[in-house]
Parts: sequence; structure tokens; C-alpha cells
Amino acid sequence: GAGVSQSPSNKVTEKGKDVELRCDPISGHTALYWYRQSLGQGLEFLIYFQGNSAPDKSGLPSDRFSAERTGGSVSTLTIQRTQQEDSAVYLCASAEGGGYGYTFGSGTRLTVV
Amino acid sequence: RKEVEQDPGPFNVPEGATVAFNCTYSNSASQSFFWYRQDCRKEPKLLMSVYSSGNEDGRFTAQLNRASQYISLLIRDSKLSDSATYLCAPRAYGGSQGNLIFGKGTKLSVKP
Repeated sequence: GAGVSQSPSNKVTEKGKDVELRCDPISGHTALYWYRQSLGQGLEFLIYFQGNSAPDKSGLPSDRFSAERTGGSVSTLTIQRTQQEDSAVYLCASAEGGGYGYTFGSGTRLTVV
Repeated sequence: RKEVEQDPGPFNVPEGATVAFNCTYSNSASQSFFWYRQDCRKEPKLLMSVYSSGNEDGRFTAQLNRASQYISLLIRDSKLSDSATYLCAPRAYGGSQGNLIFGKGTKLSVKP
């Protein structure tokens, strides 16, 4: 596609439920990143995929968070047993390679009630 | 020292003014740097890349000072449409790979 596509754009979930957030990167981009941004805060790095290499998971805040990237394209971020502090905008970005600037998707606004 | 520090602002300037933002970073091994702009409730958009001493694109100039570990963004002839938050993002690690570390941003408001 023309840009990075994320779905859903908004998600309200009850505390304790699991959620899946989807990212469809720009075609041909080998690098894919997940960040989150809480209200009034900076972007917090979560995870980075580069081609077929093992992902860099160093930013995942707890073992409730996981992500996968199938076929080197679409990625899914899963949050298990959601907590209220997980409420944030989750942003996905892709790049032509690990050394390039990113293009961000419009994000998924997650609200845990 | 925080990994990336920016003056949060806000910088309130009149149209036509020249304004500059600084950003300091802690990882001396960072090799590439980026400036993004973020409008309210929108995703960040890439503004400029800085790989060597600096880069210029129209009204925007970015400069890198490796010795002092800071990068700057200069905006000349400010427009109302320049109002946004400007995020500084050095690469987290040395070399050309890996994720970016974002500052919390500097808010710019350009007034008529």
C-alpha cells in the first residue's frame, strides 16, 4: 500500500482481556518497529523486526507483550491480560532497511477500562 | 543523563521569525539522527535526516555537533503551518541499524 496501515484505529477493552493490534507495512520495507505513546509522553520503543533476523524485543515492558511478523510483512502486537497502564497509542513504523528513517502508521488508540 | 533531551517549550514565535531547537543525546556511538514533526493527535512524520555535519532542506537546516553530542534544527521564515511538536531521534546504537530513541519533543506555536 501507499503507507503504513494499522488496525483497528481505536480499541476499547476491559481490564484482563487480550488484544491484538495489526500493522501492514509499506510494501518492500524490510524493517518494522512498534512504539507506544502515552498521553503527553514521548515515544517508547517496544520491538524491532529486520528482515529474517531475530527481533529486538528489548523494549517490551513485560511478558504480557509479544509480537510477530509473518512472511516478512504484516505484524501483530498482542497484549495479554490488559491493564489500565497499557492505555496508549500504539504506533507501527516501517523503513526500507534498518538504517533509514521511518514512516509511521496512524496508530491504534487503546483504552483499557 | 537522559538518552535524548529536548526543551519542551512551548516556543511562541510570530510568522516570519527564525527559531532554533537543540537536542542533546547521550550515546556517543550514534551515527544517524532524524528530526520528526508531530501534529496534535497525529503520528510523527519524518522531517529531516542528519548523517554527517548537517543537512538543509528549504527553510529547514539541521546541524550535528558530535563533540558536544547535540543536534539542532533551525526554521527560517516560520509559517503558521509549522506549528507542531518537533521530535529529535538519534539511532539507539552505533552503526546504521537498530531502532531510534525519541525525545519528548519541543512544541512550536507560530502566531499571526
